[in-house]
Amino acid sequence: DAKTTQPPSMDCAEGRAANLPCNHSTISGNEYVYWYRQIHSQGPQYIIHGLKNNETNEMASLIITEDRKSSTLILPHATLRDTAVYYCIVRPYSGGSNYKLTFGKGTLLTVNP
Amino acid sequence: GAGVSQSPSNKVTEKGKDVELRCDPISGHTALYWYRQSLGQGLEFLIYFQGNSAPDKSGLPSDRFSAERTGGSVSTLTIQRTQQEDSAVYLCASSVNRGRNYGYTFGSGTRLTVV
Repeated sequence: DAKTTQPPSMDCAEGRAANLPCNHSTISGNEYVYWYRQIHSQGPQYIIHGLKNNETNEMASLIITEDRKSSTLILPHATLRDTAVYYCIVRPYSGGSNYKLTFGKGTLLTVNP
Repeated sequence: GAGVSQSPSNKVTEKGKDVELRCDPISGHTALYWYRQSLGQGLEFLIYFQGNSAPDKSGLPSDRFSAERTGGSVSTLTIQRTQQEDSAVYLCASSVNRGRNYGYTFGSGTRLTVV
């Protein structure tokens, strides 16, 4: 399985964009990049996923580099409620045990007032 | 319901007792997963159910752990003869299918404390 590297923690001012990086230099061609977050005392929450094109939804944007070895999750206007641990995960499109999500330690994003 | 429901939300049990944890997935979701999160650790895969197929039990840590999914809906995770190292948050998730192109929806978990 491809592994991901994320900074252990980041700070962001409320109302500003939060840019969370993730390195996945050994990603395979059939692997997607997924982002989840976990707010304290809650289960993980799916945010977004992508293969090679940039993606945007109501929660965030995902920017994947052309070589697919890294990506950035962007929260355009961070709020205090966005304080959470953010996990970057790679998993195969299909086959084998692609349902086994491998969560690393993630990035603790703290949004400050 | 709108989300994945787990019960109880908290459970304190004595070492050696058996416990049952329940998960109600989102209606129509054919795939169901159990994960475990120990204090300060990442999520650990336990078991996966998909429709009527045989479950993938490869993540269960010992034979004291078992899980069922009745009628393709509700699932129960049972831990027999609990040990202190079983203390963790047990998370259930469901998805529309195998999850190939979908995110999983997680419940809020059951916090199990073995004393």
